[in-house]
Amino acid sequence: NAGVTQTPKFQVLKTGQSMTLQCAQDMNHEYMSWYRQDPGMGLRLIHYSVGAGITDQGEVPNGYNVSRSTTEDFPLRLLSAAPSQTSVYFCASSYSGQGGEKLFFGSGTQLSVL
Amino acid sequence: QKEVEQDPGPLSVPEGAIVSLNCTYSNSAFQYFMWYRQYSRKGPELLMYTYSSGNKEDGRFTAQVDKSSKYISLFIRDSQPSDSATYLCATGREPASKLTFGTGTRLQVTL
Repeated sequence: NAGVTQTPKFQVLKTGQSMTLQCAQDMNHEYMSWYRQDPGMGLRLIHYSVGAGITDQGEVPNGYNVSRSTTEDFPLRLLSAAPSQTSVYFCASSYSGQGGEKLFFGSGTQLSVL
Repeated sequence: QKEVEQDPGPLSVPEGAIVSLNCTYSNSAFQYFMWYRQYSRKGPELLMYTYSSGNKEDGRFTAQVDKSSKYISLFIRDSQPSDSATYLCATGREPASKLTFGTGTRLQVTL
């Protein structure tokens, strides 16, 4: 029972490079989301999806792209990495309806942008 | 002003102590209140979930919500070294809504 799987666990990028953070869940959850966690800022929502083909912006969407072609996968793309995007990124999923606010998190991706 | 405020700590207590962790929030529309526990270098995991006001107890943990004062609390009885983690409060407005998190309180339980 894998739950929410994120890859890679660690990544170092140079400013201007692009990359994709992968997220997959095997719980058949409709809702998926990406958060970033920074010291003193807590978890902040980047993008979320309520189902395949449907995405929306969260609190801090600039510099990130998402798409949701399947229920299981929700990749996060950094288009042109900046040092301000150095953070720990968490993917989360939940089921729809009552109780859907209970999030199941992956183990995170630590990203450093030099 | 942040929608959810939480003292970042760190909070250090001896084993066996009662721990009180707290958050305040500003949006009266919030209906769902959660506490997540996060161990170092791990993702947060749901610890307690409460809908609207009231108390909820699960073993050594009690979650309390006072909507009139917009105050959320988590009590840990007989604290153990394994409780050492960061505790995040979170709130939401409707089923499966986007959650708003506090910054987290780092707790250290010492032997």
